[in-house]
Amino acid sequence: EIVLTQSPATLSVSPGERVTLSCRASQSVNNFLGWYQQKPGQAPRLLICDASNRATGIPARFSGSGSGTDFTLTISSLEPEDFAVYYCQHRINWPFTFGGGTKVEI
Amino acid sequence: QITLKESGPTLVKPTETLSLTCTFSGFSLTSNPVAVAWIRQPPRKALEWLAIIYGDGDKRYSASLKSRLTITKDTSRNQVVLTLTNMDPADTATYYCAHLIASIYYFDYWGQGTLVTVSS
Repeated sequence: EIVLTQSPATLSVSPGERVTLSCRASQSVNNFLGWYQQKPGQAPRLLICDASNRATGIPARFSGSGSGTDFTLTISSLEPEDFAVYYCQHRINWPFTFGGGTKVEI
Repeated sequence: QITLKESGPTLVKPTETLSLTCTFSGFSLTSNPVAVAWIRQPPRKALEWLAIIYGDGDKRYSASLKSRLTITKDTSRNQVVLTLTNMDPADTATYYCAHLIASIYYFDYWGQGTLVTVSS
């Protein structure tokens, strides 16, 4: 089973700031890595597919990069509605595991 | 428009069997490019994938829970059912069902989730 490690666990930032979140895989997942956003009391929402492709309707301030074992989600200028927990997930083989999440807080 | 909704008991006792139903609309679970999965999230913890069933009936299970899990589908009712036997307080979580399509192979639509508490 591939383990995804996200860092930092919590990120304290201000609106308008640039945010970079990290996800590291225990073995290569090629570019088969996605990102989700989860707000309190809500289901996760798909943001990024295959490392760098924004899902339908996702604003351009969200971008993803990386391949192999190291991936990054960047929010170019944090909006108030972006304060949430972010999870990465690979899809290279079953089980599709999730990372432990990064909480972006004010 | 794709929607999914979970239903089932909110409280179960230890050792009991949990049965959850995912009722969906906006797609058909009869062909392989489409699948429905179950994912859970203990309070204040991360997401954990449990099981998935494809339109052709193929299934996958979490290795750590495989002996306790069963996933089935009823295409006539547009439902997917998850059963988890021998419930333990550690199984307390919000259980989500989610849609996956092979063109992107990620969970692109999710139900609202249902909180299941395991307590005597």
